[in-house]
Amino acid sequence: EIVLTQSPVILSLSPGERATLSCRASQSVSNYLAWYQQKPGQAPRLLIYDTSNRATGIPSRFSGSGSGTDFTLTISSLEPEDFVVYYCQQRSKWPLTFGGGTKVEIK
Amino acid sequence: EVQLLESGGGLVQPGGSLRLSCAASGFIFSSYAMNWVRQAPGKGLEWVSVLYSDGSNTNYADSVKGRFTISRDVPKNTLSLQMSSLRPEDTGVYYCAKASTVAITIFESWGQGTLVTVSS
Repeated sequence: EIVLTQSPVILSLSPGERATLSCRASQSVSNYLAWYQQKPGQAPRLLIYDTSNRATGIPSRFSGSGSGTDFTLTISSLEPEDFVVYYCQQRSKWPLTFGGGTKVEIK
Repeated sequence: EVQLLESGGGLVQPGGSLRLSCAASGFIFSSYAMNWVRQAPGKGLEWVSVLYSDGSNTNYADSVKGRFTISRDVPKNTLSLQMSSLRPEDTGVYYCAKASTVAITIFESWGQGTLVTVSS
């Protein structure tokens, strides 16, 4: 199975700063990489699919990049509601797998 | 608006069975693949199963293969997950997730989840 490693596990930043989250795959997933956001006590929400495509209704401050094994989710300027957990997910091969998550916390 | 509402969770003993349901509305249920994804307490996400839009093709995580069965009732717009031979490691919140029109493996919309606890 493809293992996704997210880093850092915890990212401490201030509102207005730029956040850069990493997701590394144990083998190439081409561009089949998605990002989800999960707020406490809520279901995940799709942010980005196939590396760089924003899902419906997602603000433009969220962007994705990468290919092969290395991917990045960038939040250009952190809003208060962005300080939550983010997961990457690959759909290149079965079984579908998720990364362990990155928590973005207020510094 | 897409709405997904899971039910059926609860406390069950190891080796027991449970059936989860997901009531869907706001879209043409029969036209989309549907997935189950779970999350152990305080842990990350784990994909469990998918039912293709044809209603017959399925796929499962190795951890549940042979124990869980995904199905749907189109007239009732309901997705189900029959779980048997439950283990403590099956404990967690179970989410149903509607697939994207782009691919069955993109989780476009999620329900709020139902908690399953496997414990004696």
